[in-house]
Amino acid sequence: QVQLQESGPGLVKPSGTLSLTCAVSGGSFRKTNWWTWVRQTPGQGLQWIGEVFHSASAVYNPSLKSRVTISLDNPNNQSSLRLTSVTAADTAIYYCASVHYFDSGAYFQIDSWGQGTLVTVSS
Amino acid sequence: SYELTQAPSVSVSPGQTARITCSGDGLSKQYAYWYQQKPGQAPLLVIYKDNERPSGIPERFSGSSSGTTVTLTISEVRAEDEADYHCQSTDSSGSYWIFGGGTKLTV
Repeated sequence: QVQLQESGPGLVKPSGTLSLTCAVSGGSFRKTNWWTWVRQTPGQGLQWIGEVFHSASAVYNPSLKSRVTISLDNPNNQSSLRLTSVTAADTAIYYCASVHYFDSGAYFQIDSWGQGTLVTVSS
Repeated sequence: SYELTQAPSVSVSPGQTARITCSGDGLSKQYAYWYQQKPGQAPLLVIYKDNERPSGIPERFSGSSSGTTVTLTISEVRAEDEADYHCQSTDSSGSYWIFGGGTKLTV
């Protein structure tokens, strides 16, 4: 089964840029799937960040849209997340997931999740 | 945008039935999804499209929808079901995901 693994710096300074990568192992990422990013703040709930499809533009959470970029690196079978002007409120566990949509996006299933990576924003 | 509301906690004894609810105006129009999350683990999708179970999820887990409230029902609860349960849906255009605050199930 395809596995996802997030990686990147675990510590980012306030006002800096958070950059993470989601890599695939054990196979290839399904080209019919979306790369989706979700985060979870300590002791809090989940928040959808956004997602990207190989032949479409990325879609973002309106509350983060001005600061976030999700991109694909197809040759290397991975996705990247970039979040600018970070504050302590961006401290969270960041997950990537492989999501398959059905019926023109009417509903979806999740094929796999990464284990998540903790990013702390602190000076 | 709208919000999804969940009770912070639910407690049941082993063998009983747990019901976890999620309320939101958009739930009458958009599908609901439920995730189980145990400490230190990524969320696991246990219900999609209101009441469908992904492959490998026990039949003890079921979902239902009524108006603006959706319910995750876990029958014959086991100690291993103790976890946080998150509901999720989409905005009115189906463009982005919205999560509830999560419910901690104590067995």
